[in-house]
Amino acid sequence: GQNIDQPTEMTATEGAIVQINCTYQTSGFNGLFWYQQHAGEAPTFLSYNVLDGLEEKGRFSSFLSRSKGYSYLLLKELQMKDSASYLCAVEGTVTALIFGKGTTLSVSS
Amino acid sequence: EAGVAQSPRYKIIEKRQSVAFWCNPISGHATLYWYQQILGQGPKLLIQFQNNGVVDDSQLPKDRFSAERLKGVDSTLKIQPAKLEDSAVYLCASSPRQGAGTEAFFGQGTRLTVV
Repeated sequence: GQNIDQPTEMTATEGAIVQINCTYQTSGFNGLFWYQQHAGEAPTFLSYNVLDGLEEKGRFSSFLSRSKGYSYLLLKELQMKDSASYLCAVEGTVTALIFGKGTTLSVSS
Repeated sequence: EAGVAQSPRYKIIEKRQSVAFWCNPISGHATLYWYQQILGQGPKLLIQFQNNGVVDDSQLPKDRFSAERLKGVDSTLKIQPAKLEDSAVYLCASSPRQGAGTEAFFGQGTRLTVV
């Protein structure tokens, strides 16, 4: 079976750092994606991890531990525009992307 | 480069009516997906095409939903008859190929309200 868990909501203030966790149990695993989705808009690609470790891309970093079935997305120097839903998605060996329910992040000034 | 185009953007229908959504993927993208996103949840895969063949439709409610991708380009998703629980955003996505690490590009979706 497939199960992907993320916190439903998180809040943070401008300039802070926030970590959004994702745990997964899937029947097959190729890699893990993070997508950002602003309200009423399409999801957009943030990062992809296939090997264990940290991938850094500007203010955003993503970490993967395949043995623990665990990933996190780290957002630094938060800005108001980072208020959005963050979707963790697992790419299976025979399936397309399976998404978690998403984490709604609210950034306040 | 033009993105994934979907129409209509919004649709309101009564239960038991039928509805169709259209998707034009990014030019040259072989893989096309339809996702259903209910408010407050993540996208749920309905069907995946590779060119004009179906790769995965295991979560498509085939008694009421159908999809086709003629000539391996545009795709339509149909619901007949619609139920209240079909109210959701229907997202189309495409990717250049099927394979590990291939990013999917999403359209803006069609918001369906069934009353």
